[in-house]
Amino acid sequence: DTAVSQTPKYLVTQMGNDKSIKCEQNLGHDTMYWYKQDSKKFLKIMFSYNNKELIINETVPNRFSPKSPDKAHLNLHINSLELGDSAVYFCASSQDTGGGTQYFGPGTRLLVL
Amino acid sequence: GDSVTQMEGPVTLSEEAFLTINCTYTATGYPSLFWYVQYPGEGLQLLLKATKADDKGSNKGFEATYRKETTSFHLEKGSVQVSDSAVYFCALRHTGTASKLTFGTGTRLQVTL
Repeated sequence: DTAVSQTPKYLVTQMGNDKSIKCEQNLGHDTMYWYKQDSKKFLKIMFSYNNKELIINETVPNRFSPKSPDKAHLNLHINSLELGDSAVYFCASSQDTGGGTQYFGPGTRLLVL
Repeated sequence: GDSVTQMEGPVTLSEEAFLTINCTYTATGYPSLFWYVQYPGEGLQLLLKATKADDKGSNKGFEATYRKETTSFHLEKGSVQVSDSAVYFCALRHTGTASKLTFGTGTRLQVTL
């Protein structure tokens, strides 16, 4: 069973479109994250939710809106996509907000044309 | 703020060579330290971690020791294999209500026969 899964794996779209990426974890964790990995492989936190409550929002443009319908899911919706949004987006989860291990999904490769 | 600095890659080694990937950090207090590995086309996997000074994390022949006096967490392996070719990320994490992983820029390792 996949611990942290993301859909889709690949997403190619035009500038200006709106798209969503879904993430689900079956680990029973309370905390979930979205990270962005740019073309140079640099990874940076975007958002974190704990028990469906937003706890980290790292100066991400408000075109990005995370939504957590329950603590096993954290979706990322992106409005008005721009070329610079092209990246790999990783979802992760951890037991809680303490120092425990974060488990990552396989990533969603987004290409904006 | 927190930051992690890794040696720039790529690092190219012959099989069975000794590996060191340097990592230093800047942070207040006592963060937990991690090494994650990203194999081609895959998500990040936790390789090892250490949660306090002088702790040694180890896994799959890789080791790293949490050195508070030098603020370092260098990754080492005595004999690398072709299958170790990947990108290695050093990261730190504070505990607390808004904990997040802060990553280094990643170091690509290429092991050849």
